[in-house]
Amino acid sequence: DGGITQSPKYLFRKEGQNVTLSCEQNLNHDAMYWYRQDPGQGLRLIYYSQIVNDFQKGDIAEGYSVSREKKESFPLTVTSAQKNPTAFYLCASSTGQGEAEAFFGQGTRLTVV
Amino acid sequence: DAKTTQPPSMDCAEGRAANLPCNHSTISGNEYVYWYRQIHSQGPQYIIHGLKNNETNEMASLIITEDRKSSTLILPHATLRDTAVYYCIVRGYNQGGKLIFGQGTELSVKP
Repeated sequence: DGGITQSPKYLFRKEGQNVTLSCEQNLNHDAMYWYRQDPGQGLRLIYYSQIVNDFQKGDIAEGYSVSREKKESFPLTVTSAQKNPTAFYLCASSTGQGEAEAFFGQGTRLTVV
Repeated sequence: DAKTTQPPSMDCAEGRAANLPCNHSTISGNEYVYWYRQIHSQGPQYIIHGLKNNETNEMASLIITEDRKSSTLILPHATLRDTAVYYCIVRGYNQGGKLIFGQGTELSVKP
């Protein structure tokens, strides 16, 4: 089945540790995106990549880092510099062309204790 | 900030049409209206989008006013599975997944 896979679904980390969230897609999409969602809120864009080996900051990039070494993969690292890392993280992909819509993964719920 | 305004919540009886309004009074001529929905603790799902004409697909219909300052998403026969948060988003051409989410409308479909 084609789609976007985020793993794991739930992740727990201790404060001060970096953690990397996985996002893989087999839709052959050029563009990939990371969003953060806090309880009762809409999604906010963290980082996005429109092509391999290139990425741009979104609205809330501080405390996060990404890489895009392969077309199908766009991992997000939540660093210890992120002040409030506990959140629901969603990955999306799109062709990025014209009117094409975005497809979302099922999310990773990160809890930092 | 989101470019759209939606009511925070709505109720709908199962089997009836659900009409979800959205105001986007500052929309530009080359911007589209997209609708996504998010069932609790899942990723958002694309529903439909349009520029200026009304659109229909297997999930819903989208009615855009002539001045394009508002739109309505119609779920013709709502089921319990349609209970979700519905997001109306204004997006430009070639913007892919660069979406600005507001708080959406929480639709509760009741038996």
